[in-house]
Amino acid sequence: DIQMTQSPSAMSASVGDRVTITCRASQDINNYLAWFQQKPGKVPERLIYAASSLQLGVPSRFSGSGSGTEFTLTISSLQPEDFATYYCLQHSDYPWTFGQGTRVEIK
Amino acid sequence: QVQLQESGPGLVKPSETLSLTCGVSGGSMSNHYWSWVRQPAGKGLEWLGRLSPSGSPIYNPTLKSRVTMSVDTSKNQFSLKLSSVTAADTAIYYCARDLLDPWGRGTTVTVSS
Repeated sequence: DIQMTQSPSAMSASVGDRVTITCRASQDINNYLAWFQQKPGKVPERLIYAASSLQLGVPSRFSGSGSGTEFTLTISSLQPEDFATYYCLQHSDYPWTFGQGTRVEIK
Repeated sequence: QVQLQESGPGLVKPSETLSLTCGVSGGSMSNHYWSWVRQPAGKGLEWLGRLSPSGSPIYNPTLKSRVTMSVDTSKNQFSLKLSSVTAADTAIYYCARDLLDPWGRGTTVTVSS
């Protein structure tokens, strides 16, 4: 299985901060990577697909980059509604695997 | 827009079979893939498997031979069966389309006697 490792596992940030979350794959997954946001008690929602394509309706402060084995999710200016847990998902090979999640908390 | 809704028993006894259905409304099931994902309380997401447009399944090997997925396009739904459940199978179970968008609201399944 392809292992997905996110860093950090948790972080504290303030409104307006620039936030970067990294996801590393144990092998080359090209750009077969998606990012999801999950707010407490809510259903995960896809933010990014194909590593850098923004889901329709997702604010432009979210962006994704990377290819191969290293990927990043960036929030350019953190908003109150962005405090959540973020997961990466590789769909290059079966079984699909998620990162362990990055919890973004209010500082 | 398409909506998904999971349904099934919220409580299953150990060693029995967990059976869930995902109803699809607002869109056709044709030409789409259908997945199941679960999340134990307070933990991360685990992809369980998916069904192709033709109904062929791909399962997560971690579930070994316990899992069966099927689709019934005439009823606009697909299903998950997980046999020989243990407490480790207690989780919120989600269904989702294609590259996991959209998701159903999720249904909590507890394995307990």
